Amino acid sequence: QKEVEQNSGPLSVPEGAIASLNCTYSDRGSQSFFWYRQYSGKSPELIMSIYSNGDKEDGRFTAQLNKASQYVSLLIRDSQPSDSATYLCAVNMFEGDSWGKLQFGAGTQVVVTP
Amino acid sequence: NAGVTQTPKFQVLKTGQSMTLQCAQDMNHNSMYWYRQDPGMGLRLIYYSASEGTTDKGEVPNGYNVSRLNKREFSLRLESAAPSQTSVYFCASSKTTGHTEAFFGQGTRLTVV
Repeated sequence: QKEVEQNSGPLSVPEGAIASLNCTYSDRGSQSFFWYRQYSGKSPELIMSIYSNGDKEDGRFTAQLNKASQYVSLLIRDSQPSDSATYLCAVNMFEGDSWGKLQFGAGTQVVVTP
Repeated sequence: NAGVTQTPKFQVLKTGQSMTLQCAQDMNHNSMYWYRQDPGMGLRLIYYSASEGTTDKGEVPNGYNVSRLNKREFSLRLESAAPSQTSVYFCASSKTTGHTEAFFGQGTRLTVV
């Protein structure tokens, strides 16, 4: 069973629309959640972190966390062609005697069409 | 600021050869990680180091060894490379283990023939 799950996509979004990305995780005790953006051939780049239930907004990005449902999402408002990338969800997991394991989902590819 | 620096950027190995991937960070981070990324598989954790002097296995440790040389440096060694180890390898670091943002190096594209 995968510990962090995302729809692989591609998610096709018209320019100017809202892109909605979802992520579910298996470890009920997880406390830290991150969204990364990765352009083709490049390294992952952090765009959002969220630690508490509710919404967190940063520019055109909004992260939403629901720990009871073990669900974290990312909304991209006013999508631009430059938002075309793979978006990776990452969650910290308990391993051994620490919360050291940062587990990634397989990523959702987003394609913004003009 | 350099952030996280990996060397080399590209490498071609023959089956059975060994090599070490180097990673250094200049952000005074305590934790460092090695991931591999294969098409459709996302990032899979190979090993991580919560702090200087400690290392732990991740999801896919077989065929790899690591050394946390000091607080700045965390190396990944392939003792006998196999074609299944063809991948893109990323090093990352974070201030603390798992709870804070991780920052990535530019990656090493490794091909084993």
